[in-house]
Amino acid sequence: AQSVTQLGSHVSVSEGALVLLRCNYSSSVPPYLFWYVQYPNQGLQLLLKYTSAATLVKGINGFEAEFKKSETSFHLTKPSAHMSDAAEYFCAVSAETGANNLFFGTGTRLTVIP
Amino acid sequence: ETGVTQSPTHLIKTRGQQVTLRCSSQSGHNTVSWYQQALGQGPQFIFQYYREEENGRGNFPPRFSGLQFPNYSSELNVNALELDDSALYLCASSLPGQVQETQYFGPGTRLLVL
Repeated sequence: AQSVTQLGSHVSVSEGALVLLRCNYSSSVPPYLFWYVQYPNQGLQLLLKYTSAATLVKGINGFEAEFKKSETSFHLTKPSAHMSDAAEYFCAVSAETGANNLFFGTGTRLTVIP
Repeated sequence: ETGVTQSPTHLIKTRGQQVTLRCSSQSGHNTVSWYQQALGQGPQFIFQYYREEENGRGNFPPRFSGLQFPNYSSELNVNALELDDSALYLCASSLPGQVQETQYFGPGTRLLVL
């Protein structure tokens, strides 16, 4: 069955520092992977998605993620953190069969220190 | 283009009551999914509707039920509310069928059961 694991429920970085949020997936078929961001009291906004076209995926707001099959990972990075990046980030994998629903990780809260 | 909208934004109910949450999908999207996000957790899939039929269901009891209307808007109904039903309920719309299709989320309805 498909699932994702996000390592680190809380990550703190200084403004201007590298952001690295970790996600590992489990899937018996080639996965479709997503990163969403959730700002306080809001819904989820898509940052980027991997659909097998390219292993390095660029998203909005300067974020990118690299799909590594050998490591079953899809880590999210941004070279330089901005105060506005403070939010909850969720990694998700598509269902293998049936409805195109998503299985989410438990999320990583990113804090940016000025 | 209108995004996904949900109503109400907040709701307080007592145990044993029934609740109906509403969702209007993004223009052109005929698939609607509902998710429950408990505090500090990632969203969990409840069910999906496509062309007014249930198209997949997560691990939720039958007291969670739904409807989709010809204009693709949707309702989530929860009967016999329990304290653990307190959560943020998210609706997402998408184009049908392909697992890599992006799901676009609404802002959610926050339900508190006392």
